[in-house]
Amino acid sequence: EDQVTQSPEALRLQEGESSSLNCSYTVSGLRGLFWYRQDPGKGPEFLFTLYSAGEEKEKERLKATLTKKESFLHITAPKPEDSATYLCAVQASGTYKYIFGTGTRLKVLA
Amino acid sequence: DGGITQSPKYLFRKEGQNVTLSCEQNLNHDAMYWYRQDPGQGLRLIYYSQIVNDFQKGDIAEGYSVSREKKESFPLTVTSAQKNPTAFYLCASSSDSNQPQHFGDGTRLSIL
Repeated sequence: EDQVTQSPEALRLQEGESSSLNCSYTVSGLRGLFWYRQDPGKGPEFLFTLYSAGEEKEKERLKATLTKKESFLHITAPKPEDSATYLCAVQASGTYKYIFGTGTRLKVLA
Repeated sequence: DGGITQSPKYLFRKEGQNVTLSCEQNLNHDAMYWYRQDPGQGLRLIYYSQIVNDFQKGDIAEGYSVSREKKESFPLTVTSAQKNPTAFYLCASSSDSNQPQHFGDGTRLSIL
């Protein structure tokens, strides 16, 4: 069964304290892995798509990486405005469906 | 600005009542989706439409109905058969099933 597990469930960082969020997945052939940011009461905002192991994408303080079993979202020198829930989703080959993880709630303290 | 507009932001349903959630996009996307988000759970797919006048059930379609009469519109009706409708409902679209999905800002449905 296709499955996505995100860890940790919640993370508190001091401003400037770098860390990583994990997304582990099992899927019968990966078409794509997606990272989203979701603020309270809002819809998810698309961040990155990764398609194959070894691929990396960067955007400001965020960097996403992909292996055959997991993806990491690295946050370098975070700021309070990076506080949000980060969602990971995978799409299996030959399907239209996304399988979403339950997210990591990130809080960055000033 | 192109985007996805969901309305209303908050909606209240009485017992036995059907309610309709609106989703409009001006991105010229072919594919549209409806998800439900509950605390502690990942987003779950309700319905999906690849093209006008065509749609497919997702994982949790029971108690819901949709229509896709126009490319830009994909309304979701929550019927009285849905016994646990309280949730945050999200509409998304993509240019096709191979492209990333982009989301609206959701409708929060509660029961009176």
